[in-house]
This record gives sequence, structure tokens and C-alpha cells, in this order.
Amino acid sequence: QVQLVESGGGVIQPGRSLRLSCAASGFTFKNYGVHWVRQAPGKGLEWLAGLSYDGRNKYYADSVKGRITASRDNSKNTLSLQMNSLRAEDSAVYYCAKDRTVRSLDWIFDSWGQGTLVTVSS
Amino acid sequence: QSVLTQPPSASGTPGQRVTISCSGSSSNIGSNTVNWYQHYPGAAPKLLIYTDNQRPSGVPDRFSGSKSGTSASLAISGLQSEDETLYYCATWDDSLSGPVFGGGTKLTVL
Repeated sequence: QVQLVESGGGVIQPGRSLRLSCAASGFTFKNYGVHWVRQAPGKGLEWLAGLSYDGRNKYYADSVKGRITASRDNSKNTLSLQMNSLRAEDSAVYYCAKDRTVRSLDWIFDSWGQGTLVTVSS
Repeated sequence: QSVLTQPPSASGTPGQRVTISCSGSSSNIGSNTVNWYQHYPGAAPKLLIYTDNQRPSGVPDRFSGSKSGTSASLAISGLQSEDETLYYCATWDDSLSGPVFGGGTKLTVL
């Protein structure tokens, strides 16, 4: 079955950088778009970034554009999220999610990981 | 503030039918299809309904979705104790050029 496992979270000081990873299995990773979504404490879900199946097309939420970079390695079935200049408001559980449609982005997230917690604090 | 508006809470008794609303605008729900996610805290969110009213394989037919104008609804019939959790609506927003979520509704089974 589809499995997405995030890693890389932890406590990080404001202003520092952090790289999150997501290991995918159970499906043909190179055929599907993937996304990053976060949930801050007590808040709802927030989409951050989406990548096409081949990684050529990347989309970012305005709220984080310029501070994050999403990438994927189809040879390793992994997705990454580089986050820079971290702020307290970036504290959240970060999820990776798989797009539903083969070789297209339909912005429907049909499988999710369990998330990795990032806490930005001095 | 979330782009899509959901009631923060909803409740029902076992066996009852409950609905959760999701209100948006012409730039999101009014021109795009709606998806619903079920999320147990600490677990991976789960796609419950997509494209307004389609159920992924494995989702019981007790769950149904509908949309009218700039609002959408998730209905849960034959309410069960295990339905007690958080539900989020989501859709694409043409103005923001990205997917947006509702703030989530906490469903309590009394």
C-alpha cells in the first residue's frame, strides 16, 4: 500500500534553515505529483508546495514563496522541503501528500504521511 | 483566517445524520470542485470525498458530498462513534492560484 514517511523535523532556532524529507513507497513515485502541507498548532491545514511528477513544475503558496524550495528525486523515491529563515509561525506538523492523478496535478491529495513536527523556538 | 469557512464544531448521536458545511466564494468553490478530508489527530489525513461527491475506494457510502453555488456540504449518515474527529474541506482558489482548506470542523458523537 501507499506509504509516505516524513522526517527531519525537530526544534530549530529562528532564522535557521531546515530540510525535511519524505520517503515514498507502495506506488510508482515518478508518475505522481506530490505536495507539502502543514498544520500549525490549533490551526487548519495549509498547502505549501506542489511538484509535478517529473519535478519540472513547482508551485508555492504565496505565504512561503521565496523561503522554501521543494524538490524530488525520482531515482530515490524521495521528496524534500528546504525551509530558510524560519520563524515562530512556521512551527507546525509538516505533511507530504500524493496527488491522485497519474502524470497530472489535480490538487487532490489521496495519500498522506503522518507528518513531522517542526518547532521554531530559541 | 481560512479562505473556506467551516463551523468549528458539529455533533450528533449514533445513527443520526449530520452535515458539515463549507462556505467559499466565486473564486474557489463557485468555480472548482470540492474535496473533503478526515483527520484523526496524530494520524495521516485521509481523502474522504473528491470532486464534490466522489468516494475513494474503501470509504463507506455513509459519507456523501454535495455542492451548490459557493457552498459545499459533507453529510454523514448512520453516525458512528469512530466518526468523531476533524473534517476539512478543500478546493482550488483561482485568485490565489493554489489549493485552500477550510479551518476544520470537529465532529463529536454524543
